[in-house]
Amino acid sequence: SQQGEEDPQALSIQEGENATMNCSYKTSINNLQWYRQNSGRGLVHLILIRSNEREKHSGRLRVTLDTSKKSSSLLITASRAADTASYFCATDVLREYGNKLVFGAGTILRVKS
Amino acid sequence: DVKVTQSSRYLVKRTGEKVFLECVQDMDHENMFWYRQDPGLGLRLIYFSYDVKMKEKGDIPEGYSVSREKKERFSLILESASTNQTSMYLCASSPYSGRAGEQYFGPGTRLTVT
Repeated sequence: SQQGEEDPQALSIQEGENATMNCSYKTSINNLQWYRQNSGRGLVHLILIRSNEREKHSGRLRVTLDTSKKSSSLLITASRAADTASYFCATDVLREYGNKLVFGAGTILRVKS
Repeated sequence: DVKVTQSSRYLVKRTGEKVFLECVQDMDHENMFWYRQDPGLGLRLIYFSYDVKMKEKGDIPEGYSVSREKKERFSLILESASTNQTSMYLCASSPYSGRAGEQYFGPGTRLTVT
């Protein structure tokens, strides 16, 4: 079963607008991560937020985490056509050995120029 | 920069064939992972390895096996390919042996089984 579920499934905006994607999860986490995937390519790590953090910034990205609601949001400000991609949240699951991330189904973002 | 490479970008195989997907990372990472990605389902973990010759089943290991004889190389094996294994396969590596950290992904192999 999926730990993280993104909302919306798809989002279409104009260049310059802000894009907000949400992620909900089910169990306690150590951290939550966001990844981007351009069409037909591998995933690229964007940002990691730990369970004791509430907000984190990286360039035009802002991530918030609400552990009481088991949810996170990714905000991309002043979007560009190059931001067109799929975005995935991933939550860690602590195991005895190694680590394991559980990915959601993703949000497809289209930025129109 | 960390580099994760996969042996093929596109692969077409016949039902019943044995298929090998190779993944190599160049950053001496302990952990390596194989995922499959299907529309609407996101990434699902097939197997992962936290050390040479060590492996653990992920969420969907059925029909797959793995091999990690060297630290930099992690192979995914489809013993007898079936059409429901048509998918995008992604390899990843991570340097963290404890708490989950950033994973570095390869470009993916799109496998079609006919």
